[in-house]
Amino acid sequence: GQNIDQPTEMTATEGAIVQINCTYQTSGFNGLFWYQQHAGEAPTFLSYNVLDGLEEKGRFSSFLSRSKGYSYLLLKELQMKDSASYLCAVKNSNYQLIWGAGTKLIIKP
Amino acid sequence: GAVVSQHPSWVICKSGTSVKIECRSLDFQATTMFWYRQFPKQSLMLMATSNEGSKATYEQGVEKDKFLINHASLTLSTLTVTSAHPEDSSFYICSARDGDRESQPQHFGDGTRLSIL
Repeated sequence: GQNIDQPTEMTATEGAIVQINCTYQTSGFNGLFWYQQHAGEAPTFLSYNVLDGLEEKGRFSSFLSRSKGYSYLLLKELQMKDSASYLCAVKNSNYQLIWGAGTKLIIKP
Repeated sequence: GAVVSQHPSWVICKSGTSVKIECRSLDFQATTMFWYRQFPKQSLMLMATSNEGSKATYEQGVEKDKFLINHASLTLSTLTVTSAHPEDSSFYICSARDGDRESQPQHFGDGTRLSIL
């Protein structure tokens, strides 16, 4: 089968840094996406990785290791508005997007 | 750019009613659109892939006669939940990709919260 594993929930403090991990087992790999989803809203695109390494975009960075089937999303200088669920999704060899269950991030003052 | 509009945002109706949800790409043409369903605290579940000018591709376990999809133009796809029942209550979200490259992300509509009484 194909699956994406992410922690169910994480808690962090405003102003701090948090790393959300994602491991995947899929039939082939054609890219990994991170999305942010606030409660009751649709997901919004954050980042895309297809090659190994780190992609930085402002306060958010995403890392990929294809050999390990592993990615993480790094959020710096956390703000209260970053409280949301973060979804990891992998595109497999058939270009199907396989979604993780999401990590609920709670930011405390 | 890459805005997807979904309408309505919230529907409450009686059991047995059919409900139509529209998904529009406002500033780009979308050959392919996707329909998802999401139950509370669960991940997105792909229901079907909507292809302009042809029949939709449904995921395993999704009843195509229950969830009718029409992709009549490059900017509009509709999902009709026929004879809806309380178990169909869910958050329905559409998405579209701007361009044909697989690296392009999907852009989501705001979702439709469907409640069947």
